[in-house]
Amino acid sequence: QSALTQPASVSGSPGQSITISCTGTSSDVGGYNYVSWYQQHPGTAPKVMIYDVSNRPSGVSNRFSGSKSGNTASLTISGLQAEDEADYYCSSYTSSRTLVVFGGGTKVTVL
Amino acid sequence: EVQLEQSGAEVKKPGESLKISCKGSGYNFTSYWIGWVRQMPGKGLEWMGIIYPGDSDSRYSPSFQGQVTISADKSISTAYLQWSSLKASDSAMYYCARLPLYCSRGSCFLKGVDYWGQGTLVTVSS
Repeated sequence: QSALTQPASVSGSPGQSITISCTGTSSDVGGYNYVSWYQQHPGTAPKVMIYDVSNRPSGVSNRFSGSKSGNTASLTISGLQAEDEADYYCSSYTSSRTLVVFGGGTKVTVL
Repeated sequence: EVQLEQSGAEVKKPGESLKISCKGSGYNFTSYWIGWVRQMPGKGLEWMGIIYPGDSDSRYSPSFQGQVTISADKSISTAYLQWSSLKASDSAMYYCARLPLYCSRGSCFLKGVDYWGQGTLVTVSS
């Protein structure tokens, strides 16, 4: 069982917006602004989409946005496109000895 | 340019030992943490543990404590993931990743992964 909880799957039609949640505790997501999101297409290494809750690395589409409320962080994909179909994972700094925790991943399907 | 170059695919038998590597370049290797992530076939990413090459401080996720050893040789900018006795269930893709450290007002925090290696496929089969 992963330390951060994500829905197993989320789906949407092209052009729609979807939101993926990532729920932790006050020791990780809720306590610090160091939540990141990663996209992984089959057979490829993960790619950083969001860091520090809401910042996008250079080159990442502005259709991807991140936010946080309490112990839950969220990734929103607006204007859903076929290429967005992938697995998405969240991670957070944690005050525990492990220092980092990951979510179990969410499969995004574009209908 | 920051790069994490992982060693090549491995095919091993159960009970054998293995050490895979992750060589960092294009940055100060001793100033960033390196993490290891397992991805079993058709499954999600699993955080295994991390190491700070500057002082070899290592931390393990509970599921992997005692199962693997994470080490680093800062003189050659390389981190390692090691098994002493492989099992078939260790068959997976393994990724290394770089994590920046942010320190402010006497406290330090680990930011998320900013660079990933390309992955090393480990196959354990008799």
